[in-house]
Amino acid sequence: KQEVTQIPAALSVPEGENLVLNCSFTDSAIYNLQWFRQDPGKGLTSLLLIQSSQREQTSGRLNASLDKSSGRSTLYIAASQPGDSATYLCAVRVSNDYKLSFGAGTTVTVRA
Amino acid sequence: NAGVTQTPKFQVLKTGQSMTLQCAQDMNHEYMSWYRQDPGMGLRLIHYSVGAGITDQGEVPNGYNVSRSTTEDFPLRLLSAAPSQTSVYFCASSRSIDRVYNEQFFGPGTRLTVL
Repeated sequence: KQEVTQIPAALSVPEGENLVLNCSFTDSAIYNLQWFRQDPGKGLTSLLLIQSSQREQTSGRLNASLDKSSGRSTLYIAASQPGDSATYLCAVRVSNDYKLSFGAGTTVTVRA
Repeated sequence: NAGVTQTPKFQVLKTGQSMTLQCAQDMNHEYMSWYRQDPGMGLRLIHYSVGAGITDQGEVPNGYNVSRSTTEDFPLRLLSAAPSQTSVYFCASSRSIDRVYNEQFFGPGTRLTVL
């Protein structure tokens, strides 16, 4: 069974600092990995999708890397802003399975 | 595009009542699914569909039914609500289950309380 872990569970940084969020998974036979953002009481917003054949994916201030062999992905958010405060979830789709296995999330607070 | 929409946003039920959570998408996506989100348990897959007329069970299907008569709609039915079904329910869709088009898009959620 795929286990997905996100450490730390919570993170507080001053505005302008770069954010580094970690995601690890136990089964390296993944189809892809997706990062989401969830604001309190809201749904999940897709940030980045990395295919298993890719090493990284970028969108604006966001950059996600994937190391399948070590079972790790890292989401970098450059020059953080108070509007980046949210919970960030990573989710892995294992080959030959339709479901996403989610981590518990990292709750980020960016202090102005 | 409205994306993935869900109704209602909030619902309170009594034990034993039944209801249907609605989910619709206007992106012509083949794949649709339902998750529930509980504190300490994360998001877990309830049921999914790979196309109209095709549904299957996920991790936690007991107490729920689904059907997919059209590409756009994927309702989730609670047959006889129990307090253990108190949760936030999310509907998601993706263009297909193929590798390239597998990005999942989520709706805003339905917050259900069963008394």
